[in-house]
Amino acid sequence: EAQVTQNPRYLITVTGKKLTVTCSQNMNHEYMSWYRQDPGLGLRQIYYSMNVEVTDKGDVPEGYKVSRKEKRNFPLILESPSPNQTSLYFCASSPFNTGAQYFGPGTRLTVL
Amino acid sequence: AQSVTQPDIHITVSEGASLELRCNYSYGATPYLFWYVQSPGQGLQLLLKYFSGDTLVQGIKGFEAEFKRSQSSFNLRKPSVHWSDAAEYFCAVGAQGNEKLTFGTGTRLTIIP
Repeated sequence: EAQVTQNPRYLITVTGKKLTVTCSQNMNHEYMSWYRQDPGLGLRQIYYSMNVEVTDKGDVPEGYKVSRKEKRNFPLILESPSPNQTSLYFCASSPFNTGAQYFGPGTRLTVL
Repeated sequence: AQSVTQPDIHITVSEGASLELRCNYSYGATPYLFWYVQSPGQGLQLLLKYFSGDTLVQGIKGFEAEFKRSQSSFNLRKPSVHWSDAAEYFCAVGAQGNEKLTFGTGTRLTIIP
C-alpha cells in the first residue's frame, strides 16, 4: 500500500531532551516536507527536500533540523525542544512537479 | 509571496444541502491550487487540484471547485452533503517546479441532521 508513515504518533517529552520524528514513504517520491499544524494557523511548512541531500527551510524552521540521506526517509530532529514546539506534525511527499502531496497520519508532540 | 485566505472559520450545513467553501489566493503567476480534507484525528487527503485547462475541476467524494482568475478564487462546492463530509477543509496554493505549498487556515464543516 502506498503510504507515508510517521513514528511515533504521540510523544510527550520535556524541555531540552533531543528527539527525532521519523518519516518514510514507499512511493519513490522526490519531494518530502514537514509541516506543523496549530489551531487557527493552518499548516506551516518547517523544512522541505527536493531530493536526496537537498533540503531547504520552509516558513518556520527555527528549532528544527532535517536530513535526507535516503530518498524514502526524511526525519525531523528537535535538538532542544521547547514548549512552543508543542504541535501536531505532518510529513508529506509528492512526485516532483505535481504539487499533489500525500500526507502521513501525523505526530502529536507535547513538550513540557 | 503566495498566500491563501479562507474567510470562513466554521460553516454548518444541513445534511442534503449544498455546500460552498470559499478560498482566495494571492500569487504572481498562474498558481497550482488544491483542496485537502482532514477528518478528525487523520492526516490530510487530497480532494482535487487545478493546474491548468478547464477551470471547473472534479474531485473525489463528489466535490468540485472552480478557478476564477479574475476573482483570485478557487471555491469548493458539493451539491448535497453527507454526514461523513464533516471535517476540516484546507485550500492550498503552489507553483510549478516549486513544490512548496502555502495553506489557508482551514474551514471546519459541521453537518446537522
